[in-house]
Amino acid sequence: DVVMTQSPLSLPVTLGQPASISCRSSQSLVYSDGNTYLIWFQQRPGQSPRRLIYKVSNRDSGVPDRFSGSGSGTDFTLKISRVEAEDVGVYYCMQGTHWPLTFGGGTKVEIK
Amino acid sequence: EVQLVESGGGLVKPGGSLRLSCAASGFTFSNAWMSWVRQAPGKGLEWVGRIKSKSDGGTTDYAAPVKGRFTISRDDSKNTLYLQMNSLKIEDTAVYYCTTGYGGKWGQGTLVTVSS
Repeated sequence: DVVMTQSPLSLPVTLGQPASISCRSSQSLVYSDGNTYLIWFQQRPGQSPRRLIYKVSNRDSGVPDRFSGSGSGTDFTLKISRVEAEDVGVYYCMQGTHWPLTFGGGTKVEIK
Repeated sequence: EVQLVESGGGLVKPGGSLRLSCAASGFTFSNAWMSWVRQAPGKGLEWVGRIKSKSDGGTTDYAAPVKGRFTISRDDSKNTLYLQMNSLKIEDTAVYYCTTGYGGKWGQGTLVTVSS
C-alpha cells in the first residue's frame, strides 16, 4: 500500500499568519492518464470531512482562495495564506492513484 | 444541492451483522462512483471500499481489513448505497461515511459500535 506521511502532526498558528502542511507519498502519484490524484480534506471539530483540493492544486467550489495546493510526484503541500479561526481542525491528504486509496495521518491546526 | 444521509448504525456484538444505507439526492446517483470511508473514535480516516457506476461495470473494491466480510451494493432505482457488514470485529467500531467518488461530498456519518 502507498504510505502517506504528513507533517507536522500539530500546527499551532497565529491568526492572520500563514500555515503549511507537508504530505509525502511512498510512491509516485502520477497515474497512467497523466493526472496526479492527490486530494486534501479538512475536518472541523465535530463535522464530516470536506474536500478542499483535488488533483494537487484544484480548489473545490466554495473553498476560500487562501487555501492552495502544490507539489508533484511524491511531495505535496497545502498552504493557508492567512489562517482564520474557522480553519481550526484536522487536515488530511489522500492519494487516489493506487488501490487501496490511503490517507495521511492528519495534521491538527490550532490557534496559538 | 448534494445530500448524503447515512443510516443503520448501532450497537452489535462481535461476529454480528449490520447493514448501512446511504440515501443520495441532488445529483445523478446512477452515474456516480460511490465509496465508504470510516473513522474509528479519535483516529484518522480509512477507506473501506468503492463501487463503480453500472455504466463503468458496477464493480467493487475493498480495503484488506474488510475484504470478504463487507459488501458494497447500490440500488440506482432508489438512489441508495449500501454497506453489508458481516463477521464484525471490535476493531470495526467507527463512524462510517458514504462519499461521492473519491471524497467529493460526504454524509454526516453513522456510528457502528461492536462490543460484547
